[in-house]
This record gives sequence, structure tokens and C-alpha cells, in this order.
Amino acid sequence: GDSVTQMEGPVTLSEEAFLTINCTYTATGYPSLFWYVQYPGEGLQLLLKATKADDKGSNKGFEATYRKETTSFHLEKGSVQVSDSAVYFCAPPEGAVSGSARQLTFGSGTQLTVLP
Amino acid sequence: DGGITQSPKYLFRKEGQNVTLSCEQNLNHDAMYWYRQDPGQGLRLIYYSQIVNDFQKGDIAEGYSVSREKKESFPLTVTSAQKNPTAFYLCASSAVSGNTIYFGEGSWLTVV
Repeated sequence: GDSVTQMEGPVTLSEEAFLTINCTYTATGYPSLFWYVQYPGEGLQLLLKATKADDKGSNKGFEATYRKETTSFHLEKGSVQVSDSAVYFCAPPEGAVSGSARQLTFGSGTQLTVLP
Repeated sequence: DGGITQSPKYLFRKEGQNVTLSCEQNLNHDAMYWYRQDPGQGLRLIYYSQIVNDFQKGDIAEGYSVSREKKESFPLTVTSAQKNPTAFYLCASSAVSGNTIYFGEGSWLTVV
């Protein structure tokens, strides 16, 4: 079935450092891919998404490019801030379940801590 | 503004008691989900519902129950049969024709 493999954390960076969190996927076809972020004590929020190959999703200075040749969707930010400290989840492609609903399953995410 | 509202945000329960977590969405989404998150862990699916009056068990349904009497509501009951109920619970929803899942802010349940 469809799945993702996400870089394990934790990741600790200094402010203004460059961030990369790796995510690779295995899927049939070219499904939409997502990054979610969870700030301390909060629920998950959609950070960005890309709906087809070669698309680049971007939001809040974060970017991820859907690369079909490497089956990757790595999350990058050129200059992280303390406020970016959170857990980041690379979400798998739509799961195949009975009927038409999706059943997304998430891994443990990557904990990012940015130090001042 | 459209969104998902979970309540209460914090809840304390005595052992042996049932407790119900509320989840309401005004996004007109057909599908709704309940996830459990333990410290340092990923999300695990408890139950999901594709349509009103229908729901399916997820990976860790034992000790939980749900109902879907209305499209906008998907309450989760944590029963006394759940051995380790202390966790962070997230409700989510998605449109059947869409592919983005939206989450509520979560509910912290602590058993004392």
C-alpha cells in the first residue's frame, strides 16, 4: 500500500540555520502529498501540500517539492526561527479504504527545536 | 469561520468512569476521524466515519465508542474498559471529494 518514510528526529538547530526534513513515499501513481505541523500543545495544522508531480508547496517560508524521480517530498526552510519549534509530519498519500473516505495514518513525526 | 471544535480542551477523569469528548465541524465534511496521540508518539486512528450513521474501527478501537447521528458531530466516549486512557485526542474531518484532512485543537484527557 501507499506509505511514507520520514526522517527521524529530534532535530536541533540554531536560529537562522537551514532546515531539511526528509520524506520519501511509496505510492501507486502520483497522489497528493502533505506536510503537517503540530506546535506544542496544539492540534495538527496543514503546513503545505503538493497535488501533482513537480509541484512546489510553500507556506510560512517552508517549501517542499514533489519529485517523482526520487519519490521525495523533503521539507526545507532557508532560515528557521525559534517559533518554528514543533513536530512536523509528512503525511502519506490517500489510503485506500472501503468506500470513498481516506484513512490517513501518521508516523511519529520529526521534532524540531530551534535555539536562539 | 469554518473549522473543527473540540471540547473540553482539558479533562480529568477518575478511574472507572466513562467520559465523552465532543467534536463538531461546520465544514460540511462527510468523513470524520478520531486519533489518539501519546507523548513522543505518532497518531493512531481510533474510529472513523465516512457518512452519517456509519462508522468503522481504526487501529485501537478497544475501550472506545463513537456515534455519528449528525453530519457535523462525532463524539468519542472513552469507557472504563480503556486501560490507558491518559492521552491527547485529536478529531479530524475531510471532504469525501477532497484530499486534505483538517484537525481540531485536541483534548487532553488525564485519568486520576
